Amino acid sequence: EPEVTQTPSHQVTQMGQEVILRCVPISNHLYFYWYRQILGQKVEFLVSFYNNEISEKSEIFDDQFSVERPDGSNFTLKIRSTKLEDSAMYFCASIGSGSSHEQYFGPGTRLTVT
Amino acid sequence: GQSLEQPSEVTAVEGAIVQINCTYQTSGFYGLSWYQQHDGGAPTFLSYNALDGLEETGRFSSFLSRSDSYGYLLLQELQMKDSASYFCAVRDTDKLIFGTGTRLQVFP
Repeated sequence: EPEVTQTPSHQVTQMGQEVILRCVPISNHLYFYWYRQILGQKVEFLVSFYNNEISEKSEIFDDQFSVERPDGSNFTLKIRSTKLEDSAMYFCASIGSGSSHEQYFGPGTRLTVT
Repeated sequence: GQSLEQPSEVTAVEGAIVQINCTYQTSGFYGLSWYQQHDGGAPTFLSYNALDGLEETGRFSSFLSRSDSYGYLLLQELQMKDSASYFCAVRDTDKLIFGTGTRLQVFP
């Protein structure tokens, strides 16, 4: 069964450093998302991406965040200058079409900012 | 603002039936989804309601009342493996707005 993959599974970084989280969505999917989940809290929407551009972003997704689909398979989330409060689990998700209601989530990357 | 409220925790025994409620207040609404998340795992899709009424998928059923901004997930014949967190999520355009989550503990 096709699945969303994410690397790395755990990233530790120092405050102020840049990090890039990587995702490979399901191959024929067209819509891509990043969500984050601070430990013990709910999952929060960050950004949605379609047709090589951001379609929607939340208030959390400020100028420190960016997304890119550098080739036909990878989808990346970059945090330019990490803060302690960026520590969270980051999930990538994808769907096949805009009318699809089932989002497929990757296993997540746990980001720890020290 | 946008909010989806759920009970924080529910406990039950194996074989029982449990209902997890969700009330929502969002600016947009295309449908209500339910996701399961085991500790350390990713959310996995359980069910979706776009219209009022009951949707049944095996041991799990989900209900929606759009006029009441309310839905619930019904889990029957509980098994130990059902111990997890359950999130309702409103589909707004194509993004998901998640609820606060309900931790279900199933005891033998």
